[in-house]
Amino acid sequence: KQEVTQIPAALSVPEGENLVLNCSFTDSAIYNLQWFRQDPGKGLTSLLLIQSSQREQTSGRLNASLDKSSGRSTLYIAASQPGDSATYLCAVTTTGANSKLTFGKGITLSVRP
Amino acid sequence: ETGVTQSPTHLIKTRGQQVTLRCSSQSGHNTVSWYQQALGQGPQFIFQYYREEENGRGNFPPRFSGLQFPNYSSELNVNALELDDSALYLCASSSRDRALRGYTFGSGTRLTVV
Repeated sequence: KQEVTQIPAALSVPEGENLVLNCSFTDSAIYNLQWFRQDPGKGLTSLLLIQSSQREQTSGRLNASLDKSSGRSTLYIAASQPGDSATYLCAVTTTGANSKLTFGKGITLSVRP
Repeated sequence: ETGVTQSPTHLIKTRGQQVTLRCSSQSGHNTVSWYQQALGQGPQFIFQYYREEENGRGNFPPRFSGLQFPNYSSELNVNALELDDSALYLCASSSRDRALRGYTFGSGTRLTVV
């Protein structure tokens, strides 16, 4: 059974800091890994999608890496801003015809002005 | 391209009642899946529909049921509501090549059971 872990549950950093959010998963048989952002009480916004054959993806100040063999992914946020404050969720798509997303519990990030 | 639309945005129901939540999938997507997110938790997979048939189900009781329509929109029905059903319900659409394209989520329906 696939399990996704995100530690720590919460993180507070000063504005301008570069930071790394970690995600680990137990089963390396995945199609891809997606990082999502969730603002309080809202839906999920996809940030980055890394296919299983890729090592990293970049979008603006965000960079996500994937090491499938070790079951790890990181989301790097450069020059953090107060507007980056949100919960960041990592999810893997399991392989197979009935594939689905398995999520971690998320990391709640607070960027202090 | 239109995104995923969910309705209603908020709903309050009494224990024992039934509820129907609706989702319109993103243009070009033919698969819809539903997730339940309790407060402080990650979303949990309820079930998925492809070509109007259930195509995978998570660990949820039969009182959680769904439909997918020919235009790929979907409904989630919950019977005999319990207090623990209070959560954010998220709909996600995808295409069969979701290995390449991933999932797109709606804004969710906040269900409160009192």
